[in-house]
Amino acid sequence: GQQLNQSPQSMFIQEGEDVSMNCTSSSIFNTWLWYKQDPGEGPVLLIALYKAGELTSNGRLTAQFGITRKDSFLNISASIPSDVGIYFCAGPPNYNTDKLIFGTGTRLQVFP
Amino acid sequence: NAGVTQTPKFQVLKTGQSMTLQCAQDMNHNSMYWYRQDPGMGLRLIYYSASEGTTDKGEVPNGYNVSRLNKREFSLRLESAAPSQTSVYFCASKRTSGSSEQFFGPGTRLTVL
Repeated sequence: GQQLNQSPQSMFIQEGEDVSMNCTSSSIFNTWLWYKQDPGEGPVLLIALYKAGELTSNGRLTAQFGITRKDSFLNISASIPSDVGIYFCAGPPNYNTDKLIFGTGTRLQVFP
Repeated sequence: NAGVTQTPKFQVLKTGQSMTLQCAQDMNHNSMYWYRQDPGMGLRLIYYSASEGTTDKGEVPNGYNVSRLNKREFSLRLESAAPSQTSVYFCASKRTSGSSEQFFGPGTRLTVL
């Protein structure tokens, strides 16, 4: 079946640094979603991408829909301690918008 | 709006006990979902309901049953809990069939001894 691979699995960075993470698939997706999960909480939708090449920002977060439609990227600029959490990519398999496949997540730690 | 709410927040069961996890959404969404999240793994779909009156199996349905009680509520039942069902359970909802964006509740942390 379709799988989403996220890298890196974890990151340990200093406050103020920029962060980049990505999500790749062996098959095409027509939508990419990025979620953040704070410790002990449910995932929260950060950014939704619907077109190949699309670049969308939400505050210090910027996500891109890869031109091949098999990948997506999330960047966080000037990280702060509250950026700590797990970031998941997700997308609907086989154009079935009733379901989502989730990546295994990138765990981000930010040190002051 | 409260969004998606789940009860209980924590639960400990003994092997063989049954329980029902409750989920409700106040966003007038058509679709609702139950996921489980285990350490080192992403979210895996247990069951979903694309609309009121319908339910379908997801990736890991064995050992679970669901009921879409009405448009707002979608419950998950464990008839005979097993230690392998120790996990964090999330409910989610989605607006329409044309959208992929799902919105999640805060989760239920279940331990089966």
